[in-house]
Amino acid sequence: DIQMTQSPSSLSASVGDRVTITCRASQSIHTYLNWYQQKPGKAPKLLIYAASSLQSGVPSRFSGSGSGTDFTVTISSLQPEDFATYYCQQSYSTPWTFGQGTKVEIK
Amino acid sequence: EVQLVESGGGLVQPGGSLRLSCAASGFTFSNYWMHWVRQVPGKGLVWVSRINSDGSTTTYADSVKGRFTISRDNAKNTLYLQMNSLRAEDTAVYFCARRSRSNEPYYFDYWGQGTRVTVSS
Repeated sequence: DIQMTQSPSSLSASVGDRVTITCRASQSIHTYLNWYQQKPGKAPKLLIYAASSLQSGVPSRFSGSGSGTDFTVTISSLQPEDFATYYCQQSYSTPWTFGQGTKVEIK
Repeated sequence: EVQLVESGGGLVQPGGSLRLSCAASGFTFSNYWMHWVRQVPGKGLVWVSRINSDGSTTTYADSVKGRFTISRDNAKNTLYLQMNSLRAEDTAVYFCARRSRSNEPYYFDYWGQGTRVTVSS
C-alpha cells in the first residue's frame, strides 16, 4: 500500500496568514493526488484534484502543487471559514490511501 | 443537485451484521463508480471498498475483505455495503463517495453525510 504522510499534523494560524501543508507519498504517484477539507461533523469536501487543479467553486486562495512523491496545498490568505482539517489522498493505486490529516486551528 | 444520502447505521453486537445504503440523486447513477470510506470519530479517513458502474467489479480493503460486500442497484439508484462478522474496530462513520467520471487522475467529487456504525456489546 502507498503510505501518505502529511506535515504538520496541526498548526495554529491567524486570519490573513499564508498556510502551507505538505504531503509525501511512499512512492511516486505522479499527479494522482487530491486534497480535501473536512469540518467537524461534516463530509470531506474536494478542494484540489490531480495535484494542482482547483475544484469548481473552491476559492482561488487555495492552490496545490507537486508531482512524484512531494505535494503541497497552500492557502494564500487564511479566512475564518478555512479552519478545518485537511487530508491528502492518492488515487494512483488501490487501496486509495489518505494522509493522517492536518488540523488548522485559530491562533 | 447531486445528493448522496446514507442510511442503515446503528448499534450492533460483535459478530453481527448490518447493511448500509446510499441513495443517489441528481445524476445518472449507473454511469459512476462508487466507493465507501470510513472514519473513526476523531481519526482519519480510510478507504473501504469500491464498485464499478455496472456492479461487475468490486475491490476491498484487506481489513474488510471476506466480511463486507459492496453492491448496487442501478434501477433504484442505490449503493449498498453489507457488513458481516462485525468487530469493534469497524466502529466508524461510513461515507459513500462518487468517483469522478473524467479521465485519470480520479478523485471523490461528492460525498454523503455519513452514517454511524457502532459495534459494541
